[in-house]
Amino acid sequence: DTGVSQDPRHKITKRGQNVTFRCDPISEHNRLYWYRQTLGQGPEFLTYFQNEAQLEKSRLLSDRFSAERPKGSFSTLEIQRTEQGDSAMYLCASSLETTYYGYTFGSGTRLTVV
Amino acid sequence: EDQVTQSPEALRLQEGESSSLNCSYTVSGLRGLFWYRQDPGKGPEFLFTLYSAGEEKEKERLKATLTKKESFLHITAPKPEDSATYLCAVQANQAGTALIFGKGTTLSVSS
Repeated sequence: DTGVSQDPRHKITKRGQNVTFRCDPISEHNRLYWYRQTLGQGPEFLTYFQNEAQLEKSRLLSDRFSAERPKGSFSTLEIQRTEQGDSAMYLCASSLETTYYGYTFGSGTRLTVV
Repeated sequence: EDQVTQSPEALRLQEGESSSLNCSYTVSGLRGLFWYRQDPGKGPEFLFTLYSAGEEKEKERLKATLTKKESFLHITAPKPEDSATYLCAVQANQAGTALIFGKGTTLSVSS
């Protein structure tokens, strides 16, 4: 297990199209998070799963965004009807229940909406 | 409102020139403060978690300290490979599991 994997690394899409990103967390981690980061800013929290249950969602997560984590393993983040303002790096992280070891982030999916 | 402010925004050091990065926070009850390092085009890499005022943690040339209002990341005798953006984040009582990040300090170390 080499860490958190995200796919694709880069995605360019036209405004109005739907996109889906995948995250494979560290297998022992039951917690999974999605964050969004724009240039010059720190990551912003989007949503959190414990196993397959989505327990927290940010006000930033509009109804065009949906996330799933079937069977408590990998997760997907879908953005419908993309807008130029959705252009950002989408980061996935996973963790154990303790925060002592922090969260392990993936390398992210860079989304560009043209 | 919970918030995190990091300073300076950017810092240039000569190799071997020690310095400190600051993270000040305003939260409704601190559950934990985190330091991360982020290289261009990559996700943040975990460095430290601090839980209470007075706590200190060290890793190689880095040392993190915590008070009731702020945290410092001290870099001793930095090397060019320490060049990165350093992010501070807090987890607050009213914010669930979410980490609230600052904008980061971009450190450049030249030889």
